[in-house]
Amino acid sequence: DIQMTQSPASLSASLGETVSIECLASEGISNDLAWYQQKSGKSPQLLIYAASRLQDGVPSRFSGSGSGTRYSLKISGMQPEDEADYFCQQSYKYPLTFGSGTKLEIK
Amino acid sequence: QVQLKESGPGLVQPSQTLSLTCTVSGLSLTSNSVSWIRQPPGKGLEWMGVIWSNGGTDYNSAIKSRLSISRDTSKSQVFLKMNSLQTEDTAMYFCARMRTGNYWYFDFWGPGTMVTVSS
Repeated sequence: DIQMTQSPASLSASLGETVSIECLASEGISNDLAWYQQKSGKSPQLLIYAASRLQDGVPSRFSGSGSGTRYSLKISGMQPEDEADYFCQQSYKYPLTFGSGTKLEIK
Repeated sequence: QVQLKESGPGLVQPSQTLSLTCTVSGLSLTSNSVSWIRQPPGKGLEWMGVIWSNGGTDYNSAIKSRLSISRDTSKSQVFLKMNSLQTEDTAMYFCARMRTGNYWYFDFWGPGTMVTVSS
């Protein structure tokens, strides 16, 4: 199975701050990576697919980048509604696997 | 408007079989694929399996021997059955539309249904 190592496990950010979350795959996944946001008690919501493509309706402060085994999600200007858990997910090989998650809180 | 909604028993006894239903609206199961994904309390997400638009299935090898996914296209429902449940199967169970093509990802999710395995 492809292991997705996500870091950091948690972080806190001030309003307006730029935040980055990283995902390291155990082997190359050819940009077959998605990012999800999960607010407390809710189901995950798609933010980014194909490593860098913004899902319709997602604010432009969210962006994704990376290649090979290293990928990142950036939030440019933390907003109160961005407090949530974030997960990466690869679809390059079966079984589809998720990162362990990053808990993002407001400082 | 695409919507998915899971339903199930809530509580299942150890060693018993879990049966869940995902009812979809706003999309046809004959042209869309649906996955089941679960999340133990306070933990991460685990992809369980998918039923493709053509009715074929693929499962996570870790649970393949216990899992079956099927559908009733006339009722717009997808079913999950998993046998020999243990306490570690306690989780929130989600169904999600799986977009396919060059990249695979989950763009619509149900709210989830909590399943507790306990005697």
